[in-house]
Amino acid sequence: GESVGLHLPTLSVQEGDNSIINCAYSNSASDYFIWYKQESGKGPQFIIDIRSNMDKRQGQRVTVLLNKTVKHLSLQIAATQPGDSAVYFCAEKPFLSAGNMLTFGGGTRLMVKP
Amino acid sequence: NAGVTQTPKFQVLKTGQSMTLQCAQDMNHNSMYWYRQDPGMGLRLIYYSASEGTTDKGEVPNGYNVSRLNKREFSLRLESAAPSQTSVYFCASSLQGLRNQPQHFGDGTRLSIL
Repeated sequence: GESVGLHLPTLSVQEGDNSIINCAYSNSASDYFIWYKQESGKGPQFIIDIRSNMDKRQGQRVTVLLNKTVKHLSLQIAATQPGDSAVYFCAEKPFLSAGNMLTFGGGTRLMVKP
Repeated sequence: NAGVTQTPKFQVLKTGQSMTLQCAQDMNHNSMYWYRQDPGMGLRLIYYSASEGTTDKGEVPNGYNVSRLNKREFSLRLESAAPSQTSVYFCASSLQGLRNQPQHFGDGTRLSIL
């Protein structure tokens, strides 16, 4: 399945499939980006980050892609598992922002069907 | 290593009552943040403290005050609670220096104002 970003707040995928969650960020001066996972009743949990001098970064089963030309960020989750069900937020930090403040997107809910 | 600890986890107030939300981190982070999260929305920054002894307004500071008590603790106070302040409040901390670092979050305080 593929999300068209924050305009489609829910993404439903089959267990074992790959998931792609998209995020359009707003500030061309942003130089740092983070993906967070938030499970019900919990706080946001850091997944992976990427700096603006990179196009791609990989973690364990996750990959973040950054396209600065169109101000687009995506999170790819390989072999999605039921434990991946959560709301995913992207966040951006403008270069030299006061207090290193982050701006968060509205979130995408990922539902994994067994 | 507990990370970011918030107390209380739940609270119900009447309009006009005051309350202080507590936050402590044990990661020796220099920056701390308070956010609110409303249903179906991302996080909005209320106040932040870039370092011990400093505090600054975020996106939605009205109706709140903060105190950076020491490096570990950052409290959020509602002087006269209003129903519009019903929300989930998250505290976060990060280590800010030459390189960007992610913010780490507590599990939130769920606050209802009647």
